Amino acid sequence: DAKTTQPPSMDCAEGRAANLPCNHSTISGNEYVYWYRQIHSQGPQYIIHGLKNNETNEMASLIITEDRKSSTLILPHATLRDTAVYYCIVTSTGGAQKLVFGQGTRLTINP
Amino acid sequence: GAVVSQHPSWVICKSGTSVKIECRSLDFQATTMFWYRQFPKQSLMLMATSNEGSKATYEQGVEKDKFLINHASLTLSTLTVTSAHPEDSSFYICSASGRGSGYTFGSGTRLTVV
Repeated sequence: DAKTTQPPSMDCAEGRAANLPCNHSTISGNEYVYWYRQIHSQGPQYIIHGLKNNETNEMASLIITEDRKSSTLILPHATLRDTAVYYCIVTSTGGAQKLVFGQGTRLTINP
Repeated sequence: GAVVSQHPSWVICKSGTSVKIECRSLDFQATTMFWYRQFPKQSLMLMATSNEGSKATYEQGVEKDKFLINHASLTLSTLTVTSAHPEDSSFYICSASGRGSGYTFGSGTRLTVV
């Protein structure tokens, strides 16, 4: 079973920051938070991941609370192409650990 | 970055026939590969995990004799849907993971059984 809880859907205006929350209250000390997104009929695309420190890359920023029980993915300037289903996944280190997907958040960017 | 190639992107087959889907890691060695299935408007459901040279580990409820997984090399895994039926119609997605490469997904295969 997925270890995360996300709102089923969100809307955001084009050009604004999109903030996607994720609750992972049962996260363990060695578990990372991964974010992927899936555009219709494509494979999931990696966005970002982190352990406890905030992370930023060219796509997004990841803010993890100090107790690590929740996190927020931030798309700083959302575009129409960011419309997708966003998945927050918790998994322990090591590539052999499986990624279990929850229902994700369907983000719609409106012009 | 890491690239995973999945083929075919779509396939239509007759009921009772078998279909093979390939998943290749192009620029890294995939020590572990994962196969998922996704029905319309639903999330990805993990079917099985395979490590190179070992038998695949199937998730509960997934028929191992129906969904044959082979991971004979560090760059190739195949999923064969045997004796396919219309209820097997779905979107199948592979994911590959290697040392330091995280999890990279293929583009998916749309299977339609008629």
